[in-house]
Amino acid sequence: DAKTTQPTSMDCAEGRAANLPCNHSTISGNEYVYWYRQIHSQGPQYIIHGLKNNETNEMASLIITEDRKSSTLILPHATLRDTAVYYCIATLNTDKLIFGTGTRLQVFP
Amino acid sequence: DTAVSQTPKYLVTQMGNDKSIKCEQNLGHDTMYWYKQDSKKFLKIMFSYNNKELIINETVPNRFSPKSPDKAHLNLHINSLELGDSAVYFCASSQGSWDGYTFGSGTRLTVV
Repeated sequence: DAKTTQPTSMDCAEGRAANLPCNHSTISGNEYVYWYRQIHSQGPQYIIHGLKNNETNEMASLIITEDRKSSTLILPHATLRDTAVYYCIATLNTDKLIFGTGTRLQVFP
Repeated sequence: DTAVSQTPKYLVTQMGNDKSIKCEQNLGHDTMYWYKQDSKKFLKIMFSYNNKELIINETVPNRFSPKSPDKAHLNLHINSLELGDSAVYFCASSQGSWDGYTFGSGTRLTVV
């Protein structure tokens, strides 16, 4: 799995877009980028994943740079319930997701 | 209808005891997992089962024995519990392809 680097923490005002960056400069051509989040005291929750193209679902958008060395998870209108730790994972092996330390996103009123 | 359910949610036990944590998924997924989250919040995979067969064992002590009676269930039995086993244990499942995992709500194990 490619190593990923994320900021330790970020703040975002409620109602604004939260843009969470992830660096994966050593990613290989076949490795997907996955995003999960963990709200306090709950199990991790799958958000979105992508390979090359930008992806969007009901939860978020994933923007992957053309060289695939970095990506950004976008929560378009953050709410207080989006306060969580967000994990970016770059992997070819979906049999074994390896979680890093993630970004702690605090959404404030 | 809970997708991945674990029982119990909390477990407090003494050192040396043997305990089990049960996990069931109703998603029809082929693959199930156990993850451990320690006090520093690091999430680490322990085991992965595909259709009742063990496919990943991440150098977990032999005191931990997963059992999968069918593909909807993956239980975790722990013998001779130690203080260091205190953690939150998460069960998860996936379709085994490129889809995301669905995690249970966790079992907080405290060994005293």
